[in-house]
Amino acid sequence: AQKITQTQPGMFVQEKEAVTLDCTYDTSDPSYGLFWYKQPSSGEMIFLIYQGSYDQQNATEGRYSLNFQKARKSANLVISASQLGDSAMYFCAMRDGTQGGSEKLVFGKGTKLTVNP
Amino acid sequence: NAGVMQNPRHLVRRRGQEARLRCSPMKGHSHVYWYRQLPEEGLKFMVYLQKENIIDESGMPKERFSAEFPKEGPSILRIQQVVRGDSAAYFCASSPLTTGYIEQFFGPGTRLTVL
Repeated sequence: AQKITQTQPGMFVQEKEAVTLDCTYDTSDPSYGLFWYKQPSSGEMIFLIYQGSYDQQNATEGRYSLNFQKARKSANLVISASQLGDSAMYFCAMRDGTQGGSEKLVFGKGTKLTVNP
Repeated sequence: NAGVMQNPRHLVRRRGQEARLRCSPMKGHSHVYWYRQLPEEGLKFMVYLQKENIIDESGMPKERFSAEFPKEGPSILRIQQVVRGDSAAYFCASSPLTTGYIEQFFGPGTRLTVL
């Protein structure tokens, strides 16, 4: 069974500094996708970044980058130049890419990021 | 292009009542997923539907919960005889009919409170 582990229940960072949110995953499937979502206090789920298991390069989207280490089964999110608006819950998720699979997402428990002024 | 719509945004029910949650996917999307988020938890998959078909309901509780996605109209998640443990946020997500990189677009969620 697929599993996502986020070991940091909470993280604090100073405004304008970079922060890394950890995510490790477990799967026996050669094809999978990894996602990061942001959930602010208002509750909606905001897609941030995606990494495919066959992608050769680490994904980047603006201030977000994904440190993908396939051999270690980790997909850490790096947020550069933190802003106060980055304070939120962050969820790592994996897509079930098995043949005939439903492509459902498996989520970790999340990390609560607080950006301090 | 409107995003995924869910209504109601907030729903209060007393124990034993029925809850109906609606989800309208993004235009052109024919895949719908329902997830449940308990307080202080991540989202957990419940069911995956395509038009008029349930594809994967491995995350659905065996009793009281049902889902449909008719040919016309929104997808409905129905909870009969609600109990306090059903209090949660229910998210719907949709994706287009393509293979490869498939992003799921989430709706704003329905917060169900059972009194």
